[in-house]
Amino acid sequence: GESVGLHLPTLSVQEGDNSIINCAYSNSASDYFIWYKQESGKGPQFIIDIRSNMDKRQGQRVTVLLNKTVKHLSLQIAATQPGDSAVYFCAENIAGGFKTIFGAGTRLFVKA
Amino acid sequence: ETGVTQSPTHLIKTRGQQVTLRCSSQSGHNTVSWYQQALGQGPQFIFQYYREEENGRGNFPPRFSGLQFPNYSSELNVNALELDDSALYLCASSPPGGSATGKLFFGSGTQLSVL
Repeated sequence: GESVGLHLPTLSVQEGDNSIINCAYSNSASDYFIWYKQESGKGPQFIIDIRSNMDKRQGQRVTVLLNKTVKHLSLQIAATQPGDSAVYFCAENIAGGFKTIFGAGTRLFVKA
Repeated sequence: ETGVTQSPTHLIKTRGQQVTLRCSSQSGHNTVSWYQQALGQGPQFIFQYYREEENGRGNFPPRFSGLQFPNYSSELNVNALELDDSALYLCASSPPGGSATGKLFFGSGTQLSVL
């Protein structure tokens, strides 16, 4: 069936360290993979996406890696800051499709 | 630029009642999707509206219905409320072609409690 899952439900890192959030997906037909950040009381916010024909994409302090061989997606956050504390969701979408499928989320705690 | 706005922010209903949730899409966005997010879980796709018609639907019963208006705003209606309908209901809009890539712009949601 459809599923986008995560290896760890919570992650705690020291401020200034790098964070790595992992995600497994099951649909080989997905074309786009997206990371969202959800802070308390808010809706998910788009962070970065990657298309299936790429294996790495960088943004500002964030990098997404895609390994289609093992159906694995990761989000790397450099120099993690207290403002990065939130729940992070990976999501997938089939190109031209109407549905974006979300995983269960990983809660990131940043210790000062 | 005004983002996605949802109303009301919180709502309490009793089992069996009906509820209407409202969403104004971001300027320039013509597609609206609705998601249900239970506590501690990821958002689950309910349906999407494009050009005032339902464009796709997730695994939700017919008592979940919606509308999209000419100004691209949207409503989510839920009839015969059940206790399990208690959740955060999120509206997301996307620009032309945006929903096909999964890039969605979310509102802050309506927290629905069914007693």
